[in-house]
Amino acid sequence: QSALTQPPSASGSPGQSVTISCTGTSSDVGGYKYVSWYQQHPGKAPKLMIYEVIKRPSGVPDRFSGSKSGNTASLTVSGLQAEDEADYYCSSYAGSKNVFGTGTKVTVL
Amino acid sequence: EVQLVESGGGVVRPGGSLRLSCAASGFTFDDYGMSWVRQAPGKGLEWVSGINWNGGSTGYADSVRGRFTISRDNDKNSLYLQMNSLRAEDTALYHCARGQSSGWYEGGFHYWGQGTLVTVSS
Repeated sequence: QSALTQPPSASGSPGQSVTISCTGTSSDVGGYKYVSWYQQHPGKAPKLMIYEVIKRPSGVPDRFSGSKSGNTASLTVSGLQAEDEADYYCSSYAGSKNVFGTGTKVTVL
Repeated sequence: EVQLVESGGGVVRPGGSLRLSCAASGFTFDDYGMSWVRQAPGKGLEWVSGINWNGGSTGYADSVRGRFTISRDNDKNSLYLQMNSLRAEDTALYHCARGQSSGWYEGGFHYWGQGTLVTVSS
């Protein structure tokens, strides 16, 4: 079971947008609608930002959006704010198991 | 308010066993699937195991299948992870997490506990 592939880092200036990719296979990302995204600040528990590819839990700003095309899912953060600086992880159901991505550190310049 | 509080972590020798617990409150426990997710120091997240609302469906990561067993007691609003044959690579902070529905994999992990630290070392 291999981790989903994410870029190690991404960055943007306040107000800009940043998009993080999450690449898997047809056995995970491409095969199911159960892709989710998590934000983790240092020393804190992860926080769900997107679930089922595009859905946002209540309380998550609409600056955060998700999408999927084939075996690659994406998280876009629009209107970057200082508090968006964190690690981001994708996750997907993979048929009888779940798999996380390698993680992306987002830096707000 | 949803609360998940893990306990049972500690230092154990390679080959040893440990049982983690997660006490849930603030929601109807048997309405939701639950999972364990771990994070080794300085590393990324790794899903460990999941269980549906009544324990009838479970899943395990390849790295722990055959060594770890997930279970739940809905009367006690508690989730458990029995860990046997522990290895150094099992060293991590173990979080319990609540799903969105009665299954363990649909809808992501909506609530997380702060975790309990497991250290496997001789």
